[in-house]
Amino acid sequence: GESVGLHLPTLSVQEGDNSIINCAYSNSASDYFIWYKQESGKGPQFIIDIRSNMDKRQGQRVTVLLNKTVKHLSLQIAATQPGDSAVYFCAESWASKIIFGSGTRLSIRP
Amino acid sequence: GAGVSQSPSNKVTEKGKDVELRCDPISGHTALYWYRQSLGQGLEFLIYFQGNSAPDKSGLPSDRFSAERTGGSVSTLTIQRTQQEDSAVYLCASRKGQSTDTQYFGPGTRLTVL
Repeated sequence: GESVGLHLPTLSVQEGDNSIINCAYSNSASDYFIWYKQESGKGPQFIIDIRSNMDKRQGQRVTVLLNKTVKHLSLQIAATQPGDSAVYFCAESWASKIIFGSGTRLSIRP
Repeated sequence: GAGVSQSPSNKVTEKGKDVELRCDPISGHTALYWYRQSLGQGLEFLIYFQGNSAPDKSGLPSDRFSAERTGGSVSTLTIQRTQQEDSAVYLCASRKGQSTDTQYFGPGTRLTVL
């Protein structure tokens, strides 16, 4: 079946540095992509999204890049803070169905 | 309430018993999703409801799993004859209705099958 996967299961970054979390998707029909943050014991929380007719979208300290040619999605977090420690999921959507990837754990070194 | 709520927060049951998990979506949200998350894993899609349309059940792992959404609001996920491999966190999410509206998640129900 269709799937969304991540290149790196864990990522450790120095506080203040930028973080880049990558994701590959396989369904060429996907037209909407979302990044979620999940803290321990909580449900996923929306971070940022992007439609397939865009290749970049910026939020507060976060940027999502979409490369439809290679079916790749990335989340960039600027000036990573301790509060950014969490598991990050990418998700793809088509026909209102939303499929999640396996997640990347982001840990912050002081 | 302001967000999606789920009950119970934790459920411990014996193998072979049936369980019901409840989700109360945000008022006015027409779309409702159920996911399963095993420890250290991603979210596995189970079922999706949209308004009065027939639900998308394509993610249900077996016929022991079923879900209902009554009155377009509250949803119940039922697992019959539970197995140990059903142990996971079951997450519910709702969104307003448009395919690009933000999806809001509940805190989940942690199910443990002994």
